[in-house]
This record gives sequence, structure tokens and C-alpha cells, in this order.
Amino acid sequence: QQQVKQSPQSLIVQKGGISIINCAYENTAFDYFPWYQQFPGKGPALLIAIRPDVSEKKEGRFTISFNKSAKQFSLHIMDSQPGDSATYFCAATYNFNKFYFGSGTKLNVKP
Amino acid sequence: GAGVSQSPRYKVAKRGQDVALRCDPISGHVSLFWYQQALGQGPEFLTYFQNEAQLDKSGLPSDRFFAERPEGSVSTLKIQRTQQEDSAVYLCASSLRDRKNIQYFGAGTRLSVL
Repeated sequence: QQQVKQSPQSLIVQKGGISIINCAYENTAFDYFPWYQQFPGKGPALLIAIRPDVSEKKEGRFTISFNKSAKQFSLHIMDSQPGDSATYFCAATYNFNKFYFGSGTKLNVKP
Repeated sequence: GAGVSQSPRYKVAKRGQDVALRCDPISGHVSLFWYQQALGQGPEFLTYFQNEAQLDKSGLPSDRFFAERPEGSVSTLKIQRTQQEDSAVYLCASSLRDRKNIQYFGAGTRLSVL
């Protein structure tokens, strides 16, 4: 059973547009929700993360929106750039010993 | 400051062979994680070490998979009698004891079992 479900599988956005990636979880014990960015041939790199006690976190062009009652969270990339083209993973954990990852979203930002 | 280093970057094995994958974490990082990433999928947790202690191995898919970190630094993931379904990228990540929320990943080892 997949603990974290991610959608869409792929996304094409024009330069300057907003990219939105969604994740849903079932385990209410999860208390930390990071997003990772992965370029081909590289390992994932932490992008931004949120705790469930806040509904939104913003860092530069990247924003996480968190809906605790719906058990959903999403990543918004404002003013998307071609350099943002990568695969994005959401994840969740409740003890920092074991992280559960979504299946990934391949983002292509067209110039 | 070097990041997490994994070797080899690529490994081709014949079905039934044993393989050993190495991870050099960032110096001073107490926590070490292994993940398996199938093509087009997200990383799947395999095992977690704190120093030399393997605190969670619940993600290891079978008893053919074995991980060790004898001196609390370098770790080795060993797969015995490899099968085609073992083909994947194996990722290693490390983090500081008091910053376990920030995992630093290596580039991974791509294992292909023929």
C-alpha cells in the first residue's frame, strides 16, 4: 500500500507559469512533509518542507500548501523556469528514521 | 566539503551474482539511509543506521539483501544471488543527528541484472 500518493505523473508548463503538484497521505501520524527535486543522474535534493501545524510555507518561488483535514499537500512553483525542469517527489515521515516517497512528477517547463 | 559518495556508479551483474554497493556519507553524519529507486518511481526505504547500529531494516525486500556500517562511517549494501527484479538505482543518504530532517543524497548506483 502506497503511503503517499502523488499526481500528476508528468506536467508541462510554459515559462512564467505556475506548476502545481499534489500529494495525499493516509497516516495521520506523519508530521513532516518534505519536497525533493531530482535531476537526471543525480540524487534527490531537499527543496522545501512543512510541518502540519502550518497551512502554508513559502521559500522564494516555491510554496507548500497543507490541508490537514483533507490529508493533502501541494507544491506550487511560481514563475516556472526551464531550469526547474526536473522530477519532483513529495515525502512524509513521523520519526525521521523512515521516509515514504511519492511516485514522482516529471516537470517540463517550455521556454 | 564532499557530499555523499557512492560507488560504483554503474554495476552490471549476471543473475545469481553477488554485488556490493558502497556509500561514503558526509563526514560527521550519524544517520545513514539506503533507498531503492525503480525506473520512473520514487525512492523506497530499505534500511536506516544510526552510527553503526542498524535501527530499521524493515524495507529490505528479502534476506538476499544485507547492509552494514561496522565503524559508523562507510556503509555497504550487499545483494546476494541477484535477480532481474533487483535492477534499480540504489541511493544512499546521510544526515546529522540533530538535523535528521535534512537528508543529503548521493547520486546512486545503477544496478542492472542481466
